[in-house]
Amino acid sequence: DGGITQSPKYLFRKEGQNVTLSCEQNLNHDAMYWYRQDPGQGLRLIYYSQIVNDFQKGDIAEGYSVSREKKESFPLTVTSAQKNPTAFYLCATETGVAEAFFGQGTRLTVV
Amino acid sequence: QKEVEQNSGPLSVPEGAIASLNCTYSDRGSQSFFWYRQYSGKSPELIMFIYSNGDKEDGRFTAQLNKASQYVSLLIRDSQPSDSATYLCAVNNAGGTSYGKLTFGQGTILTVHP
Repeated sequence: DGGITQSPKYLFRKEGQNVTLSCEQNLNHDAMYWYRQDPGQGLRLIYYSQIVNDFQKGDIAEGYSVSREKKESFPLTVTSAQKNPTAFYLCATETGVAEAFFGQGTRLTVV
Repeated sequence: QKEVEQNSGPLSVPEGAIASLNCTYSDRGSQSFFWYRQYSGKSPELIMFIYSNGDKEDGRFTAQLNKASQYVSLLIRDSQPSDSATYLCAVNNAGGTSYGKLTFGQGTILTVHP
């Protein structure tokens, strides 16, 4: 059963704490992406990776970090430097031909 | 600044009517255009994509692209209450690479009432 798995579905972060969001895919897609969505807004690109061990900053990379050690995995760390991390985080892959497909998302809340 | 603009709505149409959703974009180099549907609390799902000027039809959905006017639209015929969602317009201007590198509009909320 191919797809994109994001975990956890809900995550709570204390002030000053780093947290890591997981994204795993078994679609054998090369490229993976992280987007952030704020209420009533569209998605904004945080980071993306086209191949293993390589990644590029998107439009809002400050306060985030990523790694791409395996083709299947692209975890996102929300660091304490991200001052407003409460949002819906979406991981996506692309087929290499056209469109992007999204995982089910992680809703992060600062408490 | 590369931007994608949509009317945020809400757009309300009666069941069975045609819903028309519009999107404009600022980057003339944009090459591919996508419409995603997002139900409340869920992730976006792709419903249409279009690359060439003109119309593209898929079932009840028609995407229209006019690159000269930098305008893309989505028509939903015979609207159903299940079509009630936020519709996101997205544009790829990565020059034929990184197809998942998208710029999104803020979304249009569509409500189809019985």
